[in-house]
Amino acid sequence: EAQVTQNPRYLITVTGKKLTVTCSQNMNHEYMSWYRQDPGLGLRQIYYSMNVEVTDKGDVPEGYKVSRKEKRNFPLILESPSPNQTSLYFCASSFGRGSKQPQHFGDGTRLSIL
Amino acid sequence: GDSVTQMEGPVTLSEEAFLTINCTYTATGYPSLFWYVQYPGEGLQLLLKATKADDKGSNKGFEATYRKETTSFHLEKGSVQVSDSAVYFCALSDGGSARQLTFGSGTQLTVLP
Repeated sequence: EAQVTQNPRYLITVTGKKLTVTCSQNMNHEYMSWYRQDPGLGLRQIYYSMNVEVTDKGDVPEGYKVSRKEKRNFPLILESPSPNQTSLYFCASSFGRGSKQPQHFGDGTRLSIL
Repeated sequence: GDSVTQMEGPVTLSEEAFLTINCTYTATGYPSLFWYVQYPGEGLQLLLKATKADDKGSNKGFEATYRKETTSFHLEKGSVQVSDSAVYFCALSDGGSARQLTFGSGTQLTVLP
């Protein structure tokens, strides 16, 4: 089954404690990205990657890091989380960067930073 | 830059009512337009899309027509069901941008039996 898998689904942690949210896709997609979803703001892109070792900032990259060492994996790293990063996070993937390609989304990770 | 403006929610309808969720966009190029749906506790799923002017996307009884002259992509369904209760996002993808999707703020739809 084609899917994008995120872990963990839920996490409550404290300010400053480094955390990683993993994302893996089994569709051999080149393009992957991370979004955060906040009430009234829709989804905003954090980082994206067009292929292995190629990453770039989205609209709200501050406080986040990513890496793309393998095609299937695109982890999101919060080196020193702060309460304003409490949000619902989604990973997505698609073939290439063409505008006609629909994105496939994971089920989301709800982070609470205390 | 690109932007998407969606009808404010929440929207509450009775079963079998007619649904319209308005969406307008601003883009520098010739974007593709999408509607995504998010059911409770799940990620976003593509509902329908249109890639050029006057195209009509349709799926599961939902329809939306790409109107370049009014820069709109309104979502419609003739008779909603309780199972349609979800959050609906309008989005655009500008082929000239590597960032893929720009989303609207989402519209929460609740359908009552």
